[in-house]
Amino acid sequence: DTGVSQNPRHKITKRGQNVTFRCDPISEHNRLYWYRQTLGQGPEFLTYFQNEAQLEKSRLLSDRFSAERPKGSFSTLEIQRTEQGDSAMYLCASSYSLGTRADNEQFFGPGTRLTVL
Amino acid sequence: DQQVKQNSPSLSVQEGRISILNCDYTNSMFDYFLWYKKYPAEGPTFLISISSIKDKNEDGRFTVFLNKSAKHLSLHIVPSQPGDSAVYFCAASAGRIQGAQKLVFGQGTRLTINP
Repeated sequence: DTGVSQNPRHKITKRGQNVTFRCDPISEHNRLYWYRQTLGQGPEFLTYFQNEAQLEKSRLLSDRFSAERPKGSFSTLEIQRTEQGDSAMYLCASSYSLGTRADNEQFFGPGTRLTVL
Repeated sequence: DQQVKQNSPSLSVQEGRISILNCDYTNSMFDYFLWYKKYPAEGPTFLISISSIKDKNEDGRFTVFLNKSAKHLSLHIVPSQPGDSAVYFCAASAGRIQGAQKLVFGQGTRLTINP
């Protein structure tokens, strides 16, 4: 049984470039979440999907950020025109919710650390 | 507006003793609470959770207590072991029935267990 995987683990980019991260959730999980964590803070919610539908987006998710989950399996998070303030750890999590079972426990991947120079 | 607060950035405990980590919340809509443990360069690992219909949940060396009237929860680790040294995050959701749509995290407490 594999957990949540994220690629790449590290990304260094120059300001103004676009970057894309990928998340593969636990296979039976139909909910997928993106969070961002900066130094000394807890993870902050960005957005979440149930299957392929994006159901909520945080105000933290500016129009330079876009997330997709086209087939309800893996997800991508793209940041356009990166800024130094985007430097953070981007975490993906997944959980299961179907019928009468709706889990609160979310399982996290190892994260992608983004550094914008 | 910090809805979930962990007021102790760090805690140092001797091996074998009890570690108590505290967390306060302000949003009355929260009805499910979780603790995560995080090692450097890894994602948070789920540790233990509690629903608002309970006031205690125990799993091995870990016990979480919930005081709804005070909007306070705590994580007790006993006995503490060196491998428990990590950053601990408290998280809350309003999804007891329909599942968490998002988790709101505290700032974390760095626990160090001294031999």
